[in-house]
Amino acid sequence: EAQVTQNPRYLITVTGKKLTVTCSQNMNHEYMSWYRQDPGLGLRQIYYSMNVEVTDKGDVPEGYKVSRKEKRNFPLILESPSPNQTSLYFCASSQPPQKYNEQFFGPGTRLTVL
Amino acid sequence: TQLLEQSPQFLSIQEGENLTVYCNSSSVFSSLQWYRQEPGEGPVLLVTVVTGGEVKKLKRLTFQFGDARKDSSLHITAAQPGDTGLYLCAGGWSGGGADGLTFGKGTHLIIQP
Repeated sequence: EAQVTQNPRYLITVTGKKLTVTCSQNMNHEYMSWYRQDPGLGLRQIYYSMNVEVTDKGDVPEGYKVSRKEKRNFPLILESPSPNQTSLYFCASSQPPQKYNEQFFGPGTRLTVL
Repeated sequence: TQLLEQSPQFLSIQEGENLTVYCNSSSVFSSLQWYRQEPGEGPVLLVTVVTGGEVKKLKRLTFQFGDARKDSSLHITAAQPGDTGLYLCAGGWSGGGADGLTFGKGTHLIIQP
């Protein structure tokens, strides 16, 4: 089954404690992205990657890091989380331009930073 | 900056009624996608429209791309409780060596039995 998986699905942590949210896709897609979704603000792109070892900032990259060492994996790293990073996070993959950059989203990770 | 405005922001109607939600921009997009997101899940792609004036139907859902490729609408006929969810539109664009998407903030739709 074609899918994007994220772990963990739920996470409660404290300010300053480094964390990593993993993302993996099995569709051999070149593009992968991380989004955060907040009430009233919608989906905002954090980082994206067009291929292995190629990453770039999205609209809200501050406080986040990513890496793309393998095509299937795209972890999101919060080196020193702060309460304003409490949000719902989605990983997505796509295969532009053949498929108009149609996004396949993971199930989401709900992060709470105390 | 390309912006997509969705309206209405919230809509609550009775089962069996018809409804239309809108996605508008001052920018031209190469494609327009509609996603539905249910609580606790990620958005799921419903349809992509790419040609100005294009109309696509998905059972009781009808999607239209504006002639100028700046706007789109989603019409639901005889809405059912299973249609409840957050509907997101996303405009596709190319530039600077990358392909991007701009998301609207969504329409929260509730269909009451």
